[in-house]
Amino acid sequence: AQSVAQPEDQVNVAEGNPLTVKCTYSVSGNPYLFWYVQYPNRGLQFLLKYITGDNLVKGSYGFEAEFNKSQTSFHLKKPSALVSDSALYFCAVRDIAGTASKLTFGTGTRLQVTL
Amino acid sequence: KAGVTQTPRYLIKTRGQQVTLSCSPISGHRSVSWYQQTPGQGLQFLFEYFSETQRNKGNFPGRFSGRQFSNSRSEMNVSTLELGDSALYLCASSLQEIHEQYFGPGTRLTVT
Repeated sequence: AQSVAQPEDQVNVAEGNPLTVKCTYSVSGNPYLFWYVQYPNRGLQFLLKYITGDNLVKGSYGFEAEFNKSQTSFHLKKPSALVSDSALYFCAVRDIAGTASKLTFGTGTRLQVTL
Repeated sequence: KAGVTQTPRYLIKTRGQQVTLSCSPISGHRSVSWYQQTPGQGLQFLFEYFSETQRNKGNFPGRFSGRQFSNSRSEMNVSTLELGDSALYLCASSLQEIHEQYFGPGTRLTVT
């Protein structure tokens, strides 16, 4: 069975500092990996994805994520945080080995960026 | 291109009643998925449909059902509502199952 872990319920960072939101995954085959962001009372917005190729993927709003197969991780990063980045972030994985696999989400990490 | 739309946005029902939620995917998207989001359980997968066929189902009781129409629009139904069904129900669409999903704003269901 596939699974996703986001070990931090909340991450606090000062505006202008770099941020990292952690994600590790478990699948039997090769993963499709995604990051989503949710603002209050809104649906989820797609940020970026890893399917294959370059381990460093760039996405919306200056976010990027690094796929590390040996550590089964897909951490979300941004060089300089903004207060407007404060939101709930979800990592998700789908196992491409199973055609009937579902998209599994982590429990979410709340990012709080302060002045 | 219009995004994913969900109707209604808010709903208040009484225990024992049933409810139908509707989702219109992005034009051209053939895959539709449904999720239940609650503060305690997070995002829980309900169903996934592709070209009118249910491809996946989550661990929910049979009171939860869904379907997809030929125009890719989807509905989900919850019968015999329980207090624990109060949640934000999110619909998402994608070109195919392996692509990124685009989410609607959700339907906030409150069961009293």
